[in-house]
Amino acid sequence: EVQLVESGGGLVQPGGSLRLSCAASGFTFSTYWMSWVRQAPGKGLEWVANMKHDGSDKYYGDSVRGRFTISRDNAKNSLYLHMNSLRVEDTAVYFCTREHSTWNYGFDNWGQGTLVTVS
Amino acid sequence: DIQMTQSPSSVSATVGDRVTISCRASQGIRSWLAWYQQKPGNAPKLLIYAASSLQTGVPSRFSGGGSGTDFTLTIYSLQPEDVATYYCQQVDTFPYTFGQGTKLEIK
Repeated sequence: EVQLVESGGGLVQPGGSLRLSCAASGFTFSTYWMSWVRQAPGKGLEWVANMKHDGSDKYYGDSVRGRFTISRDNAKNSLYLHMNSLRVEDTAVYFCTREHSTWNYGFDNWGQGTLVTVS
Repeated sequence: DIQMTQSPSSVSATVGDRVTISCRASQGIRSWLAWYQQKPGNAPKLLIYAASSLQTGVPSRFSGGGSGTDFTLTIYSLQPEDVATYYCQQVDTFPYTFGQGTKLEIK
């Protein structure tokens, strides 16, 4: 069974930093693109960033580019999101997601999310 | 960036009804569209990929259609467990973008 378990969320002051982690299991992590998606309280979904299976390529959403960095450690089956210069508007539940094995097919597995509060 | 616009923002229907949700992209995205269902307190779940393909395990009453800029999600014979918010997402071009969501309720 595919499992994605996020951790690292919490309360941080504006301008601060935080690192989120996602522990993956139940599949061959090193062969999948992975993404972070966030959801502000009571709001819709926003794609944050993704990374190619081997770490050689990554992309970011406009609102986080230059402040957030996505990384992964395939030996540890883990995905990370390093968040710097945090703003109040970054407050959200952050979901770790696995992209479908076929390119352009969406995100077929999601973690339960970790809450980041910037205040 | 590609803007995704869903309509309606909310819909209320009766059990057994057919419900259709629309999603429009600000530019062509071929068939690279996914639909998700999110129930309160839960993570989203992939329903449809490549505009019209049903994800494994999703009931056959869900159906997707469209290509280019206009897409639909149809629920045939609405069930009580379908109460949720539905999102479309374009996966054609970075940055990936979602629609604002459509909240589905039972009358």
